[in-house]
Amino acid sequence: AQSVAQPEDQVNVAEGNPLTVKCTYSVSGNPYLFWYVQYPNRGLQFLLKYITGDNLVKGSYGFEAEFNKSQTSFHLKKPSALVSDSALYFCAVRDMVTGGFKTIFGAGTRLFVKA
Amino acid sequence: GAGVSQTPSNKVTEKGKYVELRCDPISGHTALYWYRQSLGQGPEFLIYFQGTGAADDSGLPNDRFFAVRPEGSVSTLKIQRTERGDSAVYLCASRSSPGDTGELFFGEGSRLTVL
Repeated sequence: AQSVAQPEDQVNVAEGNPLTVKCTYSVSGNPYLFWYVQYPNRGLQFLLKYITGDNLVKGSYGFEAEFNKSQTSFHLKKPSALVSDSALYFCAVRDMVTGGFKTIFGAGTRLFVKA
Repeated sequence: GAGVSQTPSNKVTEKGKYVELRCDPISGHTALYWYRQSLGQGPEFLIYFQGTGAADDSGLPNDRFFAVRPEGSVSTLKIQRTERGDSAVYLCASRSSPGDTGELFFGEGSRLTVL
């Protein structure tokens, strides 16, 4: 069965510093990996995805993520954090071989960027 | 419509009552998903539709939960004999087709509170 782990409930970073939000996954086949962001009282918004190809993918708002097959990780990164990046971040996976068409989400990591 | 629309945005009901939550997906999207998000948790998969049929309802917690999509567009999630543990935000999402590699588009959710 497919699963996603986000080991940190919260990440704190100062504005202007680089940030990393961690994600590891478990699937039987090839994963499709996603990051979503959720602002208070809003639905989830797509940030970026990895399907195939280059292990470093770039997304919205200056975010990027690196797919590491050997470590089964897909960490979200940004070189310079903004206060406005403070939100709840979800990693998600689709197992295209055995998981059907459903997307499974991690528990989320709250990012707090301090001015 | 331009995005995924969910109504009502908030619903307060009493234990034992019946509730319906509605989702209007992006026009032309054939795949529709329902998720449940409890406080401090990631979205939990409930059910997805391809067209009018429920292709995977493995996430529905019990037989009090049911969803329909009679014309392949709008979907209704129905909860019978509500319990306090059903309190959560119910998220609807759509995708152009189940097999595409793109992201899910989420509505802003229906917050259900069972007193």
